[in-house]
Amino acid sequence: EDKVVQSPLSLVVHEGDTVTLNCSYEVTNFRSLLWYKQEKKAPTFLFMLTSSGIEKKSGRLSSILDKKELFSILNITATQTGDSAVYLCAVPNFGNEKLTFGTGTRLTIIP
Amino acid sequence: DAGITQSPRHKVTETGTPVTLRCHQTENHRYMYWYRQDPGHGLRLIHYSYGVKDTDKGEVSDGYSVSRSKTEDFLLTLESATSSQTSVYFCAISLSRTDTQYFGPGTRLTVL
Repeated sequence: EDKVVQSPLSLVVHEGDTVTLNCSYEVTNFRSLLWYKQEKKAPTFLFMLTSSGIEKKSGRLSSILDKKELFSILNITATQTGDSAVYLCAVPNFGNEKLTFGTGTRLTIIP
Repeated sequence: DAGITQSPRHKVTETGTPVTLRCHQTENHRYMYWYRQDPGHGLRLIHYSYGVKDTDKGEVSDGYSVSRSKTEDFLLTLESATSSQTSVYFCAISLSRTDTQYFGPGTRLTVL
């Protein structure tokens, strides 16, 4: 059975800090790993990672995948209050029809 | 939200009553999914569809059925709602099975 574990479960930091969120996975026939941001509504897509060691960046957010050690990290630099959300990590099964999600990391940014 | 709507957005019902949730998309995506989200469990797949009249079960399908008679609509039915089905339900769509899934705004269902 596919498994995704995220850590920490929650994190509280001050505005301007840099944070690192972790996602480890166990999945047969790995194809990709996805990061989503969930505020008070639907998860919104951030990144899809397929290649090990290749960093994906979008503004202050970046993510990298390590296929050998079976984990990914999501970095957020110069955090802002708008970054407060639950960050979800997910891996699809071989056919990509079924996403297995981690339980998420709840990030709170204090002004 | 990638042209996805869900209705109703909130519903309170009683144990034993039937409930139908609707997901509507304007993106003409082939794949549609129903998830539930609960504290401590994250998002879990209930059912998905890979085309009109083509559906398959996810990991938590017991007590749920689905139908897809048109590309744009995917219905989730609880034949006889139970309190354990109190949850937030999300619909998602993807263009193909290898594409990213995009989520609708969610439906909060409370079964008393």
